[in-house]
Amino acid sequence: EDKVVQSPLSLVVHEGDTVTLNCSYEVTNFRSLLWYKQEKKAPTFLFMLTSSGIEKKSGRLSSILDKKELSSILNITATQTGDSAIYLCAVEPYAGNNRKLIWGLGTSLGVNP
Amino acid sequence: GAVVSQHPSRVICKSGTSVKIECRSLDFQATTMFWYRQFPKQSLMLMATSNEGSKATYEQGVEKDKFLINHASLTLSTLTVTSAHPEDSSFYICSAARGPPGETQYFGPGTRLLVL
Repeated sequence: EDKVVQSPLSLVVHEGDTVTLNCSYEVTNFRSLLWYKQEKKAPTFLFMLTSSGIEKKSGRLSSILDKKELSSILNITATQTGDSAIYLCAVEPYAGNNRKLIWGLGTSLGVNP
Repeated sequence: GAVVSQHPSRVICKSGTSVKIECRSLDFQATTMFWYRQFPKQSLMLMATSNEGSKATYEQGVEKDKFLINHASLTLSTLTVTSAHPEDSSFYICSAARGPPGETQYFGPGTRLLVL
């Protein structure tokens, strides 16, 4: 059965700290891995990763995929209170025209001032 | 680009009534739209996938007669919760994907449904 596992489930840090969130997957016919940030409303898109070893960066956030290890990490440097959110990882397998994503449970990040 | 809207953002209704939620892709044509439900402190649960002009594909355990999905155009999908009950109270989120598989899905802001 396809699955996505995120760790840790919950994390609290102080402003300025650097955090690393993990996502591992077991999926038949991997196509892409996506990271989303969810605050009080619906998820907002962060990154889509398809190739191993190529870092994607947006400001203080970066992410990289390791297809050998079937995992991805999301790094946030110099954290701010506004980074407090649930970070969701999802994998899209190749499945013809079926676009169903397989979701992890998310990592709840709290950043204290 | 890639903006998805949902309407209404919040709805309160009496048990037994039906509620319609609209999902629109504002600046792109969405070949596929998805409907999710999320309970507090839980991850997203896919309810159904809808492709424009064809019947929605429902996930196991989701009643198609209760959750009616219509994908009338490339920019609009609707979810109707029929004969709503308190246990249907949840956060309903749609997402839309443009183009072929492999394109990112973009989420609407969600609709909070409270059934009294």
